[in-house]
Amino acid sequence: EAQVTQNPRYLITVTGKKLTVTCSQNMNHEYMSWYRQDPGLGLRQIYYSMNVEVTDKGDVPEGYKVSRKEKRNFPLILESPSPNQTSLYFCASSGGILTGELFFGEGSRLTVL
Amino acid sequence: AQKVTQAQTEISVVEKEDVTLDCVYETRDTTYYLFWYKQPPSGELVFLIRRNSFDEQNEISGRYSWNFQKSTSSFNFTITASQVVDSAVYFCALSGWAGANSKLTFGKGITLSVRP
Repeated sequence: EAQVTQNPRYLITVTGKKLTVTCSQNMNHEYMSWYRQDPGLGLRQIYYSMNVEVTDKGDVPEGYKVSRKEKRNFPLILESPSPNQTSLYFCASSGGILTGELFFGEGSRLTVL
Repeated sequence: AQKVTQAQTEISVVEKEDVTLDCVYETRDTTYYLFWYKQPPSGELVFLIRRNSFDEQNEISGRYSWNFQKSTSSFNFTITASQVVDSAVYFCALSGWAGANSKLTFGKGITLSVRP
């Protein structure tokens, strides 16, 4: 089954404790991206990747890192999480932004205390 | 910079009413793509449609229709004879066609409530 898998789905952590949210897709997609969803702000892009070893900043990259060492994986790293990073995070992939549908993971709800 | 504005934040209708969700975009690209996504209460994001800037034909899919007008930079979404299952948050989104413009920008979303 074609899917984008994120882990963990739910996480409560404390300020400053490094964490990684993993994202994996099994569709051989080149394009992958991370978004955060906050009430009243919609979905905002954090980082995106057009292919292996190619990443670019989205609209709200501060406080986040990503890497794309393999085509299927695109982890989101919070080196020193802060409470303003409490949010719902979505990973997504596409055969290319030109091909249309963006496949989303189920979301990861992160709370930073 | 590209921008998507969904001026309506919440809409409430009674079942069987028609409802139109507005989307206005800004971009300096001549080639771009517009999307609509649905987020039901369960939280997943569901792709509804993609439209490229060269194709201004309106599209109909069952009870859903989309009206793309480049002259007004709008890509509106109409649900005919709404149903309770249409209750969701609807996002309009815009992307460029290549390079740095490939990032996808979403509007803030419209919460649609359909009452029985």
